[in-house]
Amino acid sequence: AQKVTQAQTEISVVEKEDVTLDCVYETRDTTYYLFWYKQPPSGELVFLIRRNSFDEQNEISGRYSWNFQKSTSSFNFTITASQVVDSAVYFCALSEGGDNYGQNFVFGPGTRLSVLP
Amino acid sequence: ETGVTQTPRHLVMGMTNKKSLKCEQHLGHNAMYWYKQSAKKPLELMFVYNFKEQTENNSVPSRFSPECPNSSHLFLHLHTLQPEDSALYLCASSPLGYEKLFFGSGTQLSVL
Repeated sequence: AQKVTQAQTEISVVEKEDVTLDCVYETRDTTYYLFWYKQPPSGELVFLIRRNSFDEQNEISGRYSWNFQKSTSSFNFTITASQVVDSAVYFCALSEGGDNYGQNFVFGPGTRLSVLP
Repeated sequence: ETGVTQTPRHLVMGMTNKKSLKCEQHLGHNAMYWYKQSAKKPLELMFVYNFKEQTENNSVPSRFSPECPNSSHLFLHLHTLQPEDSALYLCASSPLGYEKLFFGSGTQLSVL
């Protein structure tokens, strides 16, 4: 069965610091998708990124970057020069796909990030 | 604006009340979901509807009753809830395949 672990429950940083959120996953499938979602205080989960299991290239989007390493089953998320608006709960998720799409989505417990001014 | 709208945003109800949560998506997606988010617990999948047909019920108590009249609307009917049912209830939709879930802002439910 698939599982997603986010060992960091809460992180506090001061504005402009870099911060890395860890995500470790377990799956027996060779084809799967990994996701990061952001949940601001408004409640809605906002999609940030999706990576498939065959693409280990790291990705950068502005101040956000993701490091996917199959060898360690990790998909870590780094925010560079953090801002107060980055304060939110961040969820890592795994989907094994297949015909029952969506039903195989598994979310990690989330990491609450507080960026202090 | 994600295209998934949930109402109401907040709901307070007694244990003997009956209420309904509503979710509407204008994204043309074929699948819709109910998730429960409790404090300090991972997101829990409750129900999945594909093409209006329920395909998943993760051992949810019968006091939660979903309804999907069409592929754009999803309801969660609530009756005789318990205080431990207090949580954020999130609706999501997705297109064919497992690309990604689009979430609404949720309904914060408090059961007194």
